[in-house]
Amino acid sequence: AQSVAQPEDQVNVAEGNPLTVKCTYSVSGNPYLFWYVQYPNRGLQFLLKYITGDNLVKGSYGFEAEFNKSQTSFHLKKPSALVSDSALYFCAVRDKGSQGNLIFGKGTKLSVKP
Amino acid sequence: DAGITQSPRHKVTETGTPVTLRCHQTENHRYMYWYRQDPGHGLRLIHYSYGVKDTDKGEVSDGYSVSRSKTEDFLLTLESATSSQTSVYFCAISEFTNRRYGYTFGSGTRLTVV
Repeated sequence: AQSVAQPEDQVNVAEGNPLTVKCTYSVSGNPYLFWYVQYPNRGLQFLLKYITGDNLVKGSYGFEAEFNKSQTSFHLKKPSALVSDSALYFCAVRDKGSQGNLIFGKGTKLSVKP
Repeated sequence: DAGITQSPRHKVTETGTPVTLRCHQTENHRYMYWYRQDPGHGLRLIHYSYGVKDTDKGEVSDGYSVSRSKTEDFLLTLESATSSQTSVYFCAISEFTNRRYGYTFGSGTRLTVV
C-alpha cells in the first residue's frame, strides 16, 4: 500500500539554526511528492513539490527539500529557521492507484524558539 | 485561495441531523476532493470527483455522500451526523497538465457535532 511517514510528531529548533522535517514514502514507480504548511486555524499552503528533475527542490519562504530515491525520503529543510516558521507541516504523495488524490503523512509540528 | 471557497466556515449541529458542506471552485478543474483532518491522522480522503456526476469513495467514506451536478460545485453530505464526524473538513482541487501539476486547498470547515 502507498503511504507517507513523518516519524517526528514535533521538531523544536532555535531561531537561526537549520531545520529539518523528515518524510519517507512508500509508492510504486516514480513518486510525485509535496510539502504543505498549515498555520493555526488556516488551510494548507503549498510549499514545494517534486515531480521530476533535480533532486533538490526549492520552494516558498526559503524552504527546500531533497528527493532521495534510494532512501525513499523527501526531507524538508531550511538553512536558518524563523519564529514565524512555527506551524504544522505535511508531506504528501500522489496516489497512483486512484484519480490522483494526495496521501498525507500525519504531520509534524515545528516549533521555533527565539 | 481565491479559486476555491468552502461554506460554511464553522458549523455546530446536533447528532442525527443532516449536514451539507459546499465546495465551490472558479478554476474549472476536473478533479475535486474532500478530506477530513483529525489530530494524529493528518488528512484523510473522504470522497473525490473526476467530473460532473463522477464520484468515488475514499479511505473514510462511511457516513458521507457527495454530489457534483456541475463542474464548480462539490457537495459533501453527512446524512445523520455523529460525534465521530466532528472534524475539520477540507476541499481540494487539482490540475494535471504539462504546464501545471498541483493541488489547491480551501480554507476548511470546522464542524462540531454535539
